[in-house]
Amino acid sequence: SQTIHQWPATLVQPVGSPLSLECTVEGTSNPNLYWYRQAAGRGLQLLFYSVGIGQISSEVPQNLSASRPQDRQFILSSKKLLLSDSGFYLCAWTSLAKNIQYFGAGTRLSVL
Amino acid sequence: QKEVEQNSGPLSVPEGAIASLNCTYSDRVSQSFFWYRQYSGKSPELIMSIYSNGDKEDGRFTAQLNKASQYVSLLIRDSQPSDSATYLCAVAEERTGGFKTIFGAGTRLFVKA
Repeated sequence: SQTIHQWPATLVQPVGSPLSLECTVEGTSNPNLYWYRQAAGRGLQLLFYSVGIGQISSEVPQNLSASRPQDRQFILSSKKLLLSDSGFYLCAWTSLAKNIQYFGAGTRLSVL
Repeated sequence: QKEVEQNSGPLSVPEGAIASLNCTYSDRVSQSFFWYRQYSGKSPELIMSIYSNGDKEDGRFTAQLNKASQYVSLLIRDSQPSDSATYLCAVAEERTGGFKTIFGAGTRLFVKA
């Protein structure tokens, strides 16, 4: 069965510091991968999605970037965090057979 | 602007009642429709998927889709306190190489014991 791992679960970072969040998927090959952000009490905002290694589509221009160095690895990065980057970051992969998205456990990021 | 609209709630129902959650979407080319449940501080989990007009039942949950009206709903029968959560409506449309899913902001449901 497919499993998605996301870490860390919680992160507290100072403004201006770098960020690296990692997501890996097991049990499937060539998945479509996604990064979402959810602000407190809000819906899911799609940040990036990837249909293959090295292929990244950005949905929202901001100081975040994403990379996909391996088939089942998706990384979200920032060189300098802003206060507005605080939120709940979710990685997801899609079952193309039924277009269903499955989410990792999420990373709660607090930028102080 | 392609959107998925939900009433933010909160929707409060007594235990054992039917909870009715509604969602409208703006893009007629949308092909797949989902309801996710999200407990506070947790990631969303799939409750129901529906791909064609009509009703789809799974246990206490029934999803209803009306593509002509661009409307999808979720009924929860015999609501339980454990159903208290935020319910996200999601709509997927085909893009090059895969599908893009757009989520509504969610409806908060409270089931009172």
